[in-house]
Amino acid sequence: GAVVSQHPSWVICKSGTSVKIECRSLDFQATTMFWYRQFPKQSLMLMATSNEGSKATYEQGVEKDKFLINHASLTLSTLTVTSAHPEDSSFYICSADRLQGPSNQPQHFGDGTRLSIL
Amino acid sequence: AQKITQTQPGMFVQEKEAVTLDCTYDTSDPSYGLFWYKQPSSGEMIFLIYQGSYDQQNATEGRYSLNFQKARKSANLVISASQLGDSAMYFCAMREGEYGNKLVFGAGTILRVKS
Repeated sequence: GAVVSQHPSWVICKSGTSVKIECRSLDFQATTMFWYRQFPKQSLMLMATSNEGSKATYEQGVEKDKFLINHASLTLSTLTVTSAHPEDSSFYICSADRLQGPSNQPQHFGDGTRLSIL
Repeated sequence: AQKITQTQPGMFVQEKEAVTLDCTYDTSDPSYGLFWYKQPSSGEMIFLIYQGSYDQQNATEGRYSLNFQKARKSANLVISASQLGDSAMYFCAMREGEYGNKLVFGAGTILRVKS
């Protein structure tokens, strides 16, 4: 089945540093990738939609300059949390849609990244 | 307005029994898809089952089945013969229109299977 790889799976870093999270589709081309944030025991909150070769579309309330998204190829999207602070600590998870496929294709999710800012 | 509503924050079920997780949705788009995902404590999202708005029959995948009542806008997940490994968070989600559009998730239901 389709595989999406997300790296790193776990990050601890000091306040003020920037953290980059990668999301790769391993065996299919993904025109669209999505980035979610999830707090404990809560639902997934969509942060942005990333389309290959164009600027990401951010959801209302999500700071573009804080959460930089780059979708440089059909298999890779990155999320950079800039100047991270403790309130940015969360579980971040990406998903990808195939380049071609019927509407019943599920989005394929990475395994997520647990980010802890000290 | 909430597009996906899951009214059960938590559910308990006895091992080997069936359980129904509720999901109602709201959309004016005639073309949409409904998905159920399982999220164990490790965090990964596992796709379980899909129901399209034009599908005539209820979807089934092994022990999972979807009770799709279009007029009531409900898409309840039924898990038969519950197993301890079914303990997890379950999310109902909807995609309006074509693939490539975003998924909207419900709040989720935590399921605990008792031995």
